[in-house]
Amino acid sequence: GAVVSQHPSRVICKSGTSVKIECRSLDFQATTMFWYRQFPKQSLMLMATSNEGSKATYEQGVEKDKFLINHASLTLSTLTVTSAHPEDSSFYICSAPSRDGGGQETQYFGPGTRLLVL
Amino acid sequence: AQTVTQSQPEMSVQEAETVTLSCTYDTSESDYYLFWYKQPPSRQMILVIRQEAYKQQNATENRFSVNFQKAAKSFSLKISDSQLGDAAMYFCASKNSGNTPLVFGKGTRLSVIA
Repeated sequence: GAVVSQHPSRVICKSGTSVKIECRSLDFQATTMFWYRQFPKQSLMLMATSNEGSKATYEQGVEKDKFLINHASLTLSTLTVTSAHPEDSSFYICSAPSRDGGGQETQYFGPGTRLLVL
Repeated sequence: AQTVTQSQPEMSVQEAETVTLSCTYDTSESDYYLFWYKQPPSRQMILVIRQEAYKQQNATENRFSVNFQKAAKSFSLKISDSQLGDAAMYFCASKNSGNTPLVFGKGTRLSVIA
């Protein structure tokens, strides 16, 4: 199946600094990618939809000025957490839709990035 | 808006036995997909099984099968011959057709007892 990578896998930063997380589709093109956030013992919640060549769309309650998304190419989307605070500590996961070998719609997930803000 | 409900926060099953995880959903769309994902401690999301809403036949993948009741908007997962490696969080999810995101339920933590 298709592969989505994320970098870094984990990051620890000081409060007030910015952190960039990369999401890459390795063997297919993705005009759309999705960013989810998962707090401990909770489900995945959609934060935003990243669109290649246009602005991202954010879910209600997600600050677009705090979580900057750039979809620079058909294989790369980046999420930058600006001025991170301890409450931003979470597990961030990206996904990209595609079709599998049988032509069926599916979503391919990256391995996630664990962010800890001290 | 789509919603997905998993009413079982935790389930346990004896090794080699069968367990069923429940899921109900709500959507106003006629063309949609339903999924079960497994999330082990590594937190990598692993697709277990998928069902297209327009297909009446229940999907099966080896030891995993679903009971898709479209009128009742129910999509349960049956795991047969449970193995220790099946222990994980299981998320039910739905999505509309096209480049749309998944909507997840709250998850069910499955324990497998040796």
